[in-house]
Amino acid sequence: EAQVTQNPRYLITVTGKKLTVTCSQNMNHEYMSWYRQDPGLGLRQIYYSMNVEVTDKGDVPEGYKVSRKEKRNFPLILESPSPNQTSLYFCASSPRGPLNTIYFGEGSWLTVV
Amino acid sequence: GQQLNQSPQSMFIQEGEDVSMNCTSSSIFNTWLWYKQDPGEGPVLLIALYKAGELTSNGRLTAQFGITRKDSFLNISASIPSDVGIYFCAGQLSKAAGNKLTFGGGTRVLVKP
Repeated sequence: EAQVTQNPRYLITVTGKKLTVTCSQNMNHEYMSWYRQDPGLGLRQIYYSMNVEVTDKGDVPEGYKVSRKEKRNFPLILESPSPNQTSLYFCASSPRGPLNTIYFGEGSWLTVV
Repeated sequence: GQQLNQSPQSMFIQEGEDVSMNCTSSSIFNTWLWYKQDPGEGPVLLIALYKAGELTSNGRLTAQFGITRKDSFLNISASIPSDVGIYFCAGQLSKAAGNKLTFGGGTRVLVKP
């Protein structure tokens, strides 16, 4: 089954404690992206990657890092989380870019206290 | 900041009604996409629009790419209870924006009690 898998789905953490949200897709897609969703703001793009070892900043990259060492994986790293990073995070992938059909993961609820 | 203004922010529907929502921007967009998000899930692509003036349907859904390239409309005809959810417009700002995708704030569709 084609899918984008994120982990963890739910996490409560404390300010400053590094965390990683993993994302994996099994469709051999070139394009992967991370979004955060906040009430009234829709989805805002954090980072995206067009292929292995190619990553670019989205609209709200501050406080986040990503890596794309393998085609299937695109982890989101919060080196020193802060409360304003409390949000719902979505990983997504598509065959070649954002204008193809994008497959979203189920989302990861992150709370930073 | 937010470049796509989506309205209304929320609406109540009664089964059988036709509903409309729109997305506007002060900037010219190259491509418009419409997504639907069901509770607890990631967004799913409904319709993609690639040319100014384009009118595209997907079942009971119809979307149009505004002639000025600064707006787009989504219509749902004969609404049914499963139309409830959050609808997002998204767009590629320009070819120069590359593979960034900008989302509107969403229109939350609810059922009239």
